Amino acid sequence: EDQVTQSPEALRLQEGESSSLNCSYTVSGLRGLFWYRQDPGKGPEFLFTLYSAGEEKEKERLKATLTKKESFLHITAPKPEDSATYLCAVYNDYKLSFGAGTTVTVRA
Amino acid sequence: EAEVAQSPRYKITEKSQAVAFWCDPISGHATLYWYRQILGQGPELLVQFQDESVVDDSQLPKDRFSAERLKGVDSTLKIQPAELGDSAMYLCASSRDRDPSYPRKLFFGSGTQLSVL
Repeated sequence: EDQVTQSPEALRLQEGESSSLNCSYTVSGLRGLFWYRQDPGKGPEFLFTLYSAGEEKEKERLKATLTKKESFLHITAPKPEDSATYLCAVYNDYKLSFGAGTTVTVRA
Repeated sequence: EAEVAQSPRYKITEKSQAVAFWCDPISGHATLYWYRQILGQGPELLVQFQDESVVDDSQLPKDRFSAERLKGVDSTLKIQPAELGDSAMYLCASSRDRDPSYPRKLFFGSGTQLSVL
């Protein structure tokens, strides 16, 4: 059975304090790995898709990387508006399976 | 920018009652998904449609849940009867892509927050 595990569950950062979120996965044949951002009471919002090991994508203060077993979401010099839950999902067997997410809180 | 529309935004019901949720995907999106998200967990797929056909409903509790997408556009998810454990956020998502082998970017609505008392 495909599994997606995210760590840590929660992360509290000071504004400007860079950090990384981890997503480890066990799938028989990864077709794609997605990162989404979810604000409280809202649906997930697409951030990145990564397709193969070694691939990197960047958007503002966020950078996603992919290896054969895990993905990292790096947050550089975060701002309070980066506070959200970040969800990782893997696409396999024609479906998208999500991890439980990492809730990031950035204090000013 | 086009969005996935869902209603109602919030629903409070008593157990054993029937509830229904509505979703209107982004225009032209062939694939529609219903997900359930329990607080503190990631979304879990309930049912997937390609046009008006069900592609995957393996995780849908069919004794109480039903879903339809009659004309291949908007969709309704129904629960009858509702149970306490059904309290969750029900998310609808859509995708433009038709090829199931291609990892699809999903666009999510804001969800319906269901509370069963």
